[in-house]
Amino acid sequence: GENVEQHPSTLSVQEGDSAVIKCTYSDSASNYFPWYKQELGKGPQLIIDIRSNVGEKKDQRIAVTLNKTAKHFSLHITETQPEDSAVYFCAASKTDSWGKLQFGAGTQVVVTP
Amino acid sequence: DGGITQSPKYLFRKEGQNVTLSCEQNLNHDAMYWYRQDPGQGLRLIYYSQIVNDFQKGDIAEGYSVSREKKESFPLTVTSAQKNPTAFYLCASGNYEQYFGPGTRLTVT
Repeated sequence: GENVEQHPSTLSVQEGDSAVIKCTYSDSASNYFPWYKQELGKGPQLIIDIRSNVGEKKDQRIAVTLNKTAKHFSLHITETQPEDSAVYFCAASKTDSWGKLQFGAGTQVVVTP
Repeated sequence: DGGITQSPKYLFRKEGQNVTLSCEQNLNHDAMYWYRQDPGQGLRLIYYSQIVNDFQKGDIAEGYSVSREKKESFPLTVTSAQKNPTAFYLCASGNYEQYFGPGTRLTVT
């Protein structure tokens, strides 16, 4: 089955700097890659996603890139703010498997003022 | 959290008791899911349901049971057979874009 690895496990950045989180996946048939943000004690919130027919997608300060050949995708947060502090999860699935997402282990992002 | 509600937020039970966690959605999604999250780990799929009256086991279904009698509802029962039931349980709905509820933190002592 699909295996998703996520790095780093923790990431500390100064406010205003950029943060990058990387994920690799094993199943070349995976074609949907969402990213979730989870604040302490809450459910994960979908922040951005990308499908395999697209190489990059951007939404304000957040962008995701996908390299299908290398089977990896990354989340980029620019101009980080303290409210960006949270745990971020990547995931992968195949659109013919009814959204069975395989999650990475998560990255704790801490933005220091 | 969108239109997905989970109750209660915190739940305490004695070992050996079954407990049922509630999940309701008003997003008109066909598919619903239950995940388990342990400290410092990602989410693991327990059960999922694509349509009413149908559900499939996920990666860690042992010790859990579900039902899907209504499109809006997908309750999860944690049975006494689950060896390590203490965890944060998350319900989600949606076919590809999954939306999560606020979660139920279950503590079994």
